[in-house]
Amino acid sequence: GENVEQHPSTLSVQEGDSAVIKCTYSDSASNYFPWYKQELGKRPQLIIDIRSNVGEKKDQRIAVTLNKTAKHFSLHITETQPEDSAVYFCAREEVFGANNLFFGTGTRLTVIP
Amino acid sequence: DGGITQSPKYLFRKEGQNVTLSCEQNLNHDAMYWYRQDPGQGLRLIYYSQIVNDFQKGDIAEGYSVSREKKESFPLTVTSAQKNPTAFYLCASRYSGYTEAFFGQGTRLTVV
Repeated sequence: GENVEQHPSTLSVQEGDSAVIKCTYSDSASNYFPWYKQELGKRPQLIIDIRSNVGEKKDQRIAVTLNKTAKHFSLHITETQPEDSAVYFCAREEVFGANNLFFGTGTRLTVIP
Repeated sequence: DGGITQSPKYLFRKEGQNVTLSCEQNLNHDAMYWYRQDPGQGLRLIYYSQIVNDFQKGDIAEGYSVSREKKESFPLTVTSAQKNPTAFYLCASRYSGYTEAFFGQGTRLTVV
């Protein structure tokens, strides 16, 4: 399909450590890359996004980096806390077309207190 | 609460039956989407609609149908042609491209 590859599928870190989730894509027409967080039993919610005209964006403890040449983007969470435990989805959107969001397969992050 | 509501939260279907999942939004969003969520497979696009009275198939549209008669509503029908319908279904809406998508709370469909 047109989805993105997301790794790892599961990730466990100690509280206070950093977590990194990476996504790769093949469609060079993609230029919008959001990240969604889905806590257990809840709906996905946008936590951060980045457009192709920037290489990095930061919001407190989370940051996203984008390498358009290599076609990959990553989510970085620093100083992890137990409430960061959730499933994280990356997504991409094309410049032209139907404005659809294509999602990755998800990463289940567990922060161990 | 995001302004987008799915119902019911849980739905049980007998084999051979069609069922309809409701999705309503009061956010004045033009675009609406249906995703299917299975463990380890992320969110897969079933159908989407960018405007009233128009919708397009996504990656896994077989066995599903939709309508978009009103801006606020985008119901999904799971037909008997869908061979493996047991899943968690999420509806989403947003203004347009490159904007935040708001999700409903989901409907868990189980075939019994």
